[in-house]
Amino acid sequence: AQSVSQHNHHVILSEAASLELGCNYSYGGTVNLFWYVQYPGQHLQLLLKYFSGDPLVKGIKGFEAEFIKSKFSFNLRKPSVQWSDTAEYFCAVNANNAGNMLTFGGGTRLMVKP
Amino acid sequence: EPEVTQTPSHQVTQMGQEVILRCVPISNHLYFYWYRQILGQKVEFLVSFYNNEISEKSEIFDDQFSVERPDGSNFTLKIRSTKLEDSAMYFCASSEDPQIAGAQYFGPGTRLLVL
Repeated sequence: AQSVSQHNHHVILSEAASLELGCNYSYGGTVNLFWYVQYPGQHLQLLLKYFSGDPLVKGIKGFEAEFIKSKFSFNLRKPSVQWSDTAEYFCAVNANNAGNMLTFGGGTRLMVKP
Repeated sequence: EPEVTQTPSHQVTQMGQEVILRCVPISNHLYFYWYRQILGQKVEFLVSFYNNEISEKSEIFDDQFSVERPDGSNFTLKIRSTKLEDSAMYFCASSEDPQIAGAQYFGPGTRLLVL
């Protein structure tokens, strides 16, 4: 069965710091990869997705993620965070032999200090 | 921007009671999903639905659960006889064809508390 790991459970940064959140998955076949964000009191929103092509994917709000197949990773990055990026971030994977279900990581709670 | 909506936002029920959670997917989406998140745990897949039938379901989705698309807009999750361990946040999602770059878009969730 596929699984997704987000090793950073809590991250605290100051504004303008750079961000990298780790995501690793365990599945050897073709995958579709996603990052979702949940701002306080709001629902899960899609930040970015990877299906194929350029492994460096750009999303909304200045976020990007890089798919490294050899490392089974899809880390999320942002060069300069803002206080408004305070939220919980979820990595999710769909393995192409697993139908359409998403398997989620445990989430990373990011707090950005003003 | 179109959104997935869910009602109610909160529901409190007694153990053994039936609950129906409602969702209105994005209008041009054809694939629908339910997920849940027990407090402090990961978001877990329950079921996916396409063309008026379940396309896949997880081990969690046992005989106590059912889904239905009663009309052209609503998508419901029914729990027939709730248990304490059904207390969770339930998320509905919808997508275009997921194998053609159709990402899943989530609703705000229904927080279910079973007493």
